[in-house]
Amino acid sequence: EPEVTQTPSHQVTQMGQEVILRCVPISNHLYFYWYRQILGQKVEFLVSFYNNEISEKSEIFDDQFSVERPDGSNFTLKIRSTKLEDSAMYFCASRARTIGRYEQYFGPGTRLTVT
Amino acid sequence: AQTVTQSQPEMSVQEAETVTLSCTYDTSESDYYLFWYKQPPSRQMILVIRQEAYKQQNATENRFSVNFQKAAKSFSLKISDSQLGDAAMYFCAYRGPNYGGSQGNLIFGKGTKLSVKP
Repeated sequence: EPEVTQTPSHQVTQMGQEVILRCVPISNHLYFYWYRQILGQKVEFLVSFYNNEISEKSEIFDDQFSVERPDGSNFTLKIRSTKLEDSAMYFCASRARTIGRYEQYFGPGTRLTVT
Repeated sequence: AQTVTQSQPEMSVQEAETVTLSCTYDTSESDYYLFWYKQPPSRQMILVIRQEAYKQQNATENRFSVNFQKAAKSFSLKISDSQLGDAAMYFCAYRGPNYGGSQGNLIFGKGTKLSVKP
């Protein structure tokens, strides 16, 4: 069964450094999302992406964040200058463009630790 | 703004028994979608079940079923014949309708931690 994959599984970085989190969505999916989950808290929406542009973004997704689909398979989240409070689990999700099928499929997540 | 509330931070069930996890939500929309996701210790988010608001029939997936009460804005998850592998965090999630360019981001509740006792 096709699945969303994410790399790396765990990233440790120093405050102020740039990180890029990578995701490979399910191949025939057209809508892509990033969510984050701070340890012990609920999952929060960051951004959605469709047709090579951002569709929606939350308040969390400020100028330090950017997303890109550099080729036909990868979907990346970049944090330009990481802060301690960016430490969280980051989930990529994708969904198909099938009317009536709106469920999103999540990747296994990347745990980001900012020291 | 839409909100999702899970009022049970933790629940416990005996193996082979049935447990119900509660979820309520607030929305002014009439067309929307609801989901339950399971998050085991690995922290992977796994879709358990989905419900379209326009459907009156409650969704069922094997041992998992929902009790969807649209007027009460309630969406509970029932797990029958609980197994040790069901132990996880369970998140209720809401997705609004598709319009105005919205691609339907999910709004999650805070989760319920389910323990299964052997």
